Amino acid sequence: DAGVTQSPTHLIKTRGQQVTLRCSPKSGHDTVSWYQQALGQEPQFIFQYYEEEERQRGNFPDRFSGHQFPNYSSELNVNALLLGDSALYLCASSLDPGNEKLFFGSGTQLSVL
Amino acid sequence: QKEVEQNSGPLSVPEGAIASLNCTYSDRGSQSFFWYRQYSGKSPELIMSIYSNGDKEDGRFTAQLNKASQYVSLLIRDSQPSDSATYLCAPRTTSGTYKYIFGTGTRLKVLA
Repeated sequence: DAGVTQSPTHLIKTRGQQVTLRCSPKSGHDTVSWYQQALGQEPQFIFQYYEEEERQRGNFPDRFSGHQFPNYSSELNVNALLLGDSALYLCASSLDPGNEKLFFGSGTQLSVL
Repeated sequence: QKEVEQNSGPLSVPEGAIASLNCTYSDRGSQSFFWYRQYSGKSPELIMSIYSNGDKEDGRFTAQLNKASQYVSLLIRDSQPSDSATYLCAPRTTSGTYKYIFGTGTRLKVLA
């Protein structure tokens, strides 16, 4: 049973560029949440997707957008990258939006130069 | 004031000792409380959940909850070097959403 998978593992971009991160949820899970974790900080909630719609959003600017596909996989897009966007981006899946147990992927380490 | 407060540590304990990790939260409506363990460079992993006041034991881990004091703790008995990690406290908000608010985490070092 595959867990949550994320790609790519590492990514280097320059300021102003755009990036797309991908996530496949754990088998049987239909809800995907994205978190940003800066070095030495706690994970910060970006948004949650369920039934191909953004259901909740944290305190992140519109430069951060996402998508969920019919197979429940998800993408996180960040436009106009800033140096401060450098972080570990974590995808977490759950059985449904109300389910409290999150299963995290191994993350994508984004470096913005 | 942050919504979830944890001592960032590092908390150093000798192998075999009891490690006590503490967390306070501000949302009085929080009903569910979770502890995640995060090894350096890895993603968080759920290790404990607690919903009612009192203690909940699972192997070497005990979670304690006091909603009146808005306090939750995690005890690790017989600490092992493999327990060295950052422990994140995560109350589940009840403001019509299902997102977690993570604490800043406590870094635990178990000395062999």
